[in-house]
Amino acid sequence: QVRLVESGGGVVQPGKSLRLSCAASGFDFNSNGMHWVRQAPGKGLEWVSIVSSDGRNKHYADSVKGRFIISRDNSKNTVYLQMNSLRPEDTAVYFCAKDEGYSGILDNWGQGTLVTVSA
Amino acid sequence: DIQMTQSPSSVSASIGDRVTITCRASQGLDSWLAWYQQKPGKAPKLLISTASSLQSGVPSRFSGSGSGTDFSLTITSLQPEDFATYFCQQAHTFPITFGQGTRLEI
Repeated sequence: QVRLVESGGGVVQPGKSLRLSCAASGFDFNSNGMHWVRQAPGKGLEWVSIVSSDGRNKHYADSVKGRFIISRDNSKNTVYLQMNSLRPEDTAVYFCAKDEGYSGILDNWGQGTLVTVSA
Repeated sequence: DIQMTQSPSSVSASIGDRVTITCRASQGLDSWLAWYQQKPGKAPKLLISTASSLQSGVPSRFSGSGSGTDFSLTITSLQPEDFATYFCQQAHTFPITFGQGTRLEI
């Protein structure tokens, strides 16, 4: 079965950087786009970014464009989110999710990793 | 960006009731709309894709309908495990956007 395991969350000061990882298993990782979605405490879901199966195509939410970078290593079945210039409003649980293909439909999700941006 | 508006924001219902949640998009989506269920402390779960396609393993009491800008999720004969928060999401255009969520309470 599909398994997505996020790691790398923690407490970080404003302006600093953090890199999240998502290890995938149970499907052909080379065939699917991968997303990051976040959820601030007590709030709704906010889509962050997608990377295509070959890593060439990427899209970002306006709120993170220019600060966050999504990437993937298909040899390691892992997707990453490099988060720079972090702000308190970036505090959230970050979920990794698998796309059905590259449709924008998120058919499997990880359990999430909490990022807290605080001085 | 496409704005997604769900209603109601919360709804109270009883076991066995029928509930309908609606989602309106600020521009046409064709059928590129998904519904997710989220329970406290858990990841969202995909229930329905492309407006009305029920995911494997999701009970048939869940159904989705609509196209264009107006969509709905209906749950018939509510079960205890259905009390959760539901989100719609448009997959028509990047950036992907979600509705604000509907909390279904007992």
